[in-house]
Amino acid sequence: GAGVSQTPSNKVTEKGKYVELRCDPISGHTALYWYRQSLGQGPEFLIYFQGTGAADDSGLPNDRFFAVRPEGSVSTLKIQRTERGDSAVYLCASSLRGAGLDSPLHFGNGTRLTVT
Amino acid sequence: DQQVKQNSPSLSVQEGRISILNCDYTNSMFDYFLWYKKYPAEGPTFLISISSIKDKNEDGRFTVFLNKSAKHLSLHIVPSQPGDSAVYFCAASGVGNQGGKLIFGQGTELSVKP
Repeated sequence: GAGVSQTPSNKVTEKGKYVELRCDPISGHTALYWYRQSLGQGPEFLIYFQGTGAADDSGLPNDRFFAVRPEGSVSTLKIQRTERGDSAVYLCASSLRGAGLDSPLHFGNGTRLTVT
Repeated sequence: DQQVKQNSPSLSVQEGRISILNCDYTNSMFDYFLWYKKYPAEGPTFLISISSIKDKNEDGRFTVFLNKSAKHLSLHIVPSQPGDSAVYFCAASGVGNQGGKLIFGQGTELSVKP
C-alpha cells in the first residue's frame, strides 16, 4: 500500500519486558514522527527524524524510550523495562519534508501497546 | 501546560445541519493550524489547514475560521453527514516548534445522527 504501515497492530507484553514497534513511512518522505496517544487524549509528540538523524527527541518521556531510523526509511521505536503507564496507542507519521502547511503529516493506524 | 485545547469532548448534530467544532490555543508563536479526523482503530487523517495570516479557509463542506486576537479557531461542517461521525483533533505548529512538530488538542467526538 501507499500509506504509512505500522507493525504489529497490537502488542501485549508483561511489565519489565522490552518491546520494539516498527514503522514503514510513505516512500520518499524524509520526515518521520512518533506520537503516543492515551485514551481520551490527543496524540503526544515523542520524536522526529529528518533523514537518518533524530532532529528533535524532546518528547521522549525518559531514557527507557529510544528510536532509530538507520537508513532514513523504516524506523523502530524501542521501549525498555516496560511499565503499565506505557500502555497507549503509538502512532507513526511521515511527511514529505518536515511538517508544514503544504506538507501535512500522514499517520499510520498505530500500534496498541498493552503492558500487563 | 496544554497549549492547544478542545474543551468539548463530544458534539451531537442532526444530519444536514451545521457542525461547529472549537479549539483554543495559548502560544501566539503558532503560525499554522490543522484539523485531523480520526475513525476508531485508524490513524488521524488530515482534513484542512490554515495559515495564521488568513482568517478563513474553505474546502468543500469544511471551513476553518481563525481568530488570532482571541487565539481561537473553529471547524464548520455544512451540511453534516453521518459519515462525518469521528473524533476531530485540532493541531498547531510554527516557529517555536523545531521540525514543524504538531501540538494536538484532546479531540472532540462528533456524532451526526440520521
